[in-house]
Order: sequence, then structure tokens, then C-alpha cells
Amino acid sequence: EAGVAQSPRYKIIEKRQSVAFWCNPISGHATLYWYQQILGQGPKLLIQFQNNGVVDDSQLPKDRFSAERLKGVDSTLKIQPAKLEDSAVYLCASSLEASGRGETQYFGPGTRLLVL
Amino acid sequence: GNSVTQMEGPVTLSEEAFLTINCTYTATGYPSLFWYVQYPGEGLQLLLKATKADDKGSNKGFEATYRKETTSFHLEKGSVQVSDSAVYFCALSDFGTGRRALTFGSGTRLQVQP
Repeated sequence: EAGVAQSPRYKIIEKRQSVAFWCNPISGHATLYWYQQILGQGPKLLIQFQNNGVVDDSQLPKDRFSAERLKGVDSTLKIQPAKLEDSAVYLCASSLEASGRGETQYFGPGTRLLVL
Repeated sequence: GNSVTQMEGPVTLSEEAFLTINCTYTATGYPSLFWYVQYPGEGLQLLLKATKADDKGSNKGFEATYRKETTSFHLEKGSVQVSDSAVYFCALSDFGTGRRALTFGSGTRLQVQP
């Protein structure tokens, strides 16, 4: 079974530029998450989708970050304009819907963003 | 809100030594608990999990027991190998809220020397 795919793997941009990340979850997984992992810290949730609906975006900086999941499959995360503090690894994860307590989230390899 | 606290690293051990990485949590509901591992150059992957009090999760020689009374989920291994060198993350999800997103600790880097 193919895992969670993400692209690009690395991105370097200047501050105030825009950038977009793409995620393709495991086939059949209804729930998709975007996490931000700053160097030396654990991942922090940005947004959670259930199919193509948003379940939780309370920690998404909505003035600069946006995300969508069209047709309930692929997802894109966009930053516009980027700030220096956005330098981080952006992780996408997916899980089956309603599989009970302790359902496993499967993570992609991440996109490492450096904002100069 | 929910939070996870784990011991700071790096933890440096010799091969075949005993490993303990401490993890404590704060949760508003009745969480499920996880250990994820990140090997060099690889993505996060689930190591083990436990969904209710006194459950023991185990995998690849690692174990952790869900202790509700002490709100802890310490990771242990009896004899570490060089290949266990990685960053270990303790995490929880609060299924009762319906959100199920993971709350992670800050990670503990383990270095095992031959």
C-alpha cells in the first residue's frame, strides 16, 4: 500500500513570497491533517479535514495560511506572504475515519521550508 | 487544554543498555497515548500505542504502560541497539472531542553508541 505522498520535499523562498505544498493521503483515508514542526519541537496541528470539510483550523494563522481539500482526496497548504518564522517542516498525515480510539495516523516525509 | 511533557535529550547510551524515556500528559478527556519515532532521514512512524488505563503497548522490544493515576506513558527497552538511534515523540489524542489530532511532546533524541 502506498504511503502518504508530499511534494516538494524542500523549498527555499524569500520572505513575503508565497509557497504551496501538496499532499496525497493513503487511498481510502477520510481524515487528513497538516502539522507544522519547527526545529527542536514536536509537530503542531495546523488543520484537520474530514473528507473535504474542515474539522479543526483553530491553530491555523488564517491571515497568511490557507488549505483546501478538494473532492476529499488531495490537499494543498498555502502560505502567503511567508515570514521568517514559517521556516519549518510541514507534515501531512492521514487516518481512517471513525476507526475507534487510538486510530493510527500515517505521516508523509514532510516538506522542509526555509524562508530567507 | 491538552499537553505532553517528555524528558529532554539527547540521551546517549551504550549498546545493550536499558532505556527509559519519561512522558507525562495533561488531558481534559480520556486520551489515547502514542509513541512515534523518527529515524534519520525518514518520516514519523508509529512505534506503539495504548488506548485505556493499564494497557501496555509494545513493538520492536519497546514497551510503554498507560498509567492514569500518574498520567504517564514512559517508554522502555531492555537492551538498545545502534539502530534504535532516532528521535522519539510521545503524543496523545483526545478521541472524545471528535478531533483526534495528535498533541506531541517536544521529542527526545536517542543516540546509541557501539
